[in-house]
Amino acid sequence: GQQVMQIPQYQHVQEGEDFTTYCNSSTTLSNIQWYKQRPGGHPVFLIQLVKSGEVKKQKRLTFQFGEAKKNSSLHITATQTTDVGTYFCAGRRSNYQLIWGAGTKLIIKP
Amino acid sequence: EAGVAQSPRYKIIEKRQSVAFWCNPISGHATLYWYQQILGQGPKLLIQFQNNGVVDDSQLPKDRFSAERLKGVDSTLKIQPAKLEDSAVYLCASSLDPGPSYEQYFGPGTRLTVT
Repeated sequence: GQQVMQIPQYQHVQEGEDFTTYCNSSTTLSNIQWYKQRPGGHPVFLIQLVKSGEVKKQKRLTFQFGEAKKNSSLHITATQTTDVGTYFCAGRRSNYQLIWGAGTKLIIKP
Repeated sequence: EAGVAQSPRYKIIEKRQSVAFWCNPISGHATLYWYQQILGQGPKLLIQFQNNGVVDDSQLPKDRFSAERLKGVDSTLKIQPAKLEDSAVYLCASSLDPGPSYEQYFGPGTRLTVT
């Protein structure tokens, strides 16, 4: 069946370093959403990308949607302790079903 | 604006017992979702309602799980009988519409432990 693969599973960074997570779908997506889940919390919507090649920025976060609408990335510049959590992508199929990636856990090294 | 409400927040039961979870979505949201999130994994959609109709229940283990959304507002998810592998957080989410442009708002979840 259709899957959304997300890598890496974990990323350990020093505070101030950059962080990137990638999502890849086996088929074309209508759009892709990104969510953040803090430890012990619930997923919170960050952004939605719809257009081929779209790039959106939110302060230190940059989101990209691939030209073929099969892959996406989230890049955080100069991570801060408040960025800790698990970042999920969720790709929407043409029938509106949302397929979630397994998430990338961002860990800040002390 | 009030968020998605869920209860209980925590539940511990023994295997083969029954359990029910309740969700009240954001007012005016037509679409309601139930997810199962096992520790360390992404949310897995169990069932999606639009108003009081089922849109997708392809991943719902129907031999033991059931859900309803009477009157198209709040919803209950039931497990009967529970198995050890049902230990997870059960998340309820809602959105204005099932269409492609609507974000999902999640409740705090119910953490279920089956012993």
